[in-house]
Amino acid sequence: EVQLVESGGGLVQPGSPLKLSCAASGFTFSSNWLNWIRQAPGKGLEWVASINPDGSSTYYPDTVKGRFVVSKDNAKNTGYLQMNNLRSEDTAMYYCARGNFDYWGQGVMVTVSS
Amino acid sequence: DIQMTQSPSVLSASVGDRVTLNCKASQNINKYLNWYQQKLGEAPKLLIYNTNNLQTGIPSRFSGSGSGTDFTLTISSLQPEDFATYFCFQHNSWPTFGSGTKLEIK
Repeated sequence: EVQLVESGGGLVQPGSPLKLSCAASGFTFSSNWLNWIRQAPGKGLEWVASINPDGSSTYYPDTVKGRFVVSKDNAKNTGYLQMNNLRSEDTAMYYCARGNFDYWGQGVMVTVSS
Repeated sequence: DIQMTQSPSVLSASVGDRVTLNCKASQNINKYLNWYQQKLGEAPKLLIYNTNNLQTGIPSRFSGSGSGTDFTLTISSLQPEDFATYFCFQHNSWPTFGSGTKLEIK
């Protein structure tokens, strides 16, 4: 069974960093892209990062480019989203999703507030 | 970026109804359109991928169609568990989502 489990969320102050993890199981993690998507409270979904199977290429929208860094450790079947210089508008539920956006984790909440 | 516009934003319907949800892309996205169902407090669940392919385990009352810029999700006979929010999603280029259609009980 494909499973993705996010962790690492919480309440942080503006300007702070935070690192999310996404533990994968039930499929060949090293052969798949990994994506991160977020959803602000009561709002729609926004793609925030993607990484290719071997981790050599990463992609971001302009809203997070230069602040967020996506990575994956294929030996640990785990993906990461390092978020730096967080802003109040980054407050959202963050989901990781497998390559074709077919399976998603349950999400982890990130709140940026002073 | 490709903008995805869903209509209607809210749809009221009854159990047993046939409903159609619409999604329009601002430019050609070929067949690369997915549909997701999201219930309150849950992660989105993939229903349809690449316009008309039913994800494993999804009931056959769900179907998708379209091409280019105009796409539809049809639920042939609404069940109580189908009342939720539905998002379309394009992955022809930088991924973008529609703003959702909330399907509510009439």
